[in-house]
Amino acid sequence: GAVVSQHPSWVICKSGTSVKIECRSLDFQATTMFWYRQFPKQSLMLMATSNEGSKATYEQGVEKDKFLINHASLTLSTLTVTSAHPEDSSFYICSAQTGDQPQHFGDGTRLSIL
Amino acid sequence: SQKIEQNSEALNIQEGKTATLTCNYTNYSPAYLQWYRQDPGRGPVFLLLIRENEKEKRKERLKVTFDTTLKQSLFHITASQPADSATYLCALEYNNDMRFGAGTRLTVKP
Repeated sequence: GAVVSQHPSWVICKSGTSVKIECRSLDFQATTMFWYRQFPKQSLMLMATSNEGSKATYEQGVEKDKFLINHASLTLSTLTVTSAHPEDSSFYICSAQTGDQPQHFGDGTRLSIL
Repeated sequence: SQKIEQNSEALNIQEGKTATLTCNYTNYSPAYLQWYRQDPGRGPVFLLLIRENEKEKRKERLKVTFDTTLKQSLFHITASQPADSATYLCALEYNNDMRFGAGTRLTVKP
């Protein structure tokens, strides 16, 4: 149980385009979803926390207009990287949580901006 | 602010030995602490959670300790196997969010 699906797993696109990443909890309802970013050999850095039906809470230094988060249902959250540039290239990982249970992670999306 | 330090970036041990990984934090003690496993190109997988009032937690070959006086958690894998090779992350509860350490990359050699 507690499966989180993240799609796509890998995307390459040109600078200036927008990219949408989906995160779904397949067998449970997630009251909270989290979005992280991870650079090679570094820790997961929390970008934002979202609760279903409300606006996401962004961490300091994360531009909310650049990283748009939508959490329209208890099983789906999306992250859209708008007008992506090479410095946005990274490994993006989502996680889903219900109540005070441990977070369950997706397998991540490797984003490469050319 | 809270700093989380995992003792070493990499740890190499021989198959069958016990691997011990360390997680230290610098500020307040969290309500709970978690350990995750992460394989290359994959998301972290939850392993164990230990609360501040618990000294030790076990799950099969895994054991976690939590010392709030030392501000430290130890993660042990007994009878290690090459399949245990991965990066292990500790994570601390912080204002209802989680903060992760940079991880320790464990390699178990046959």
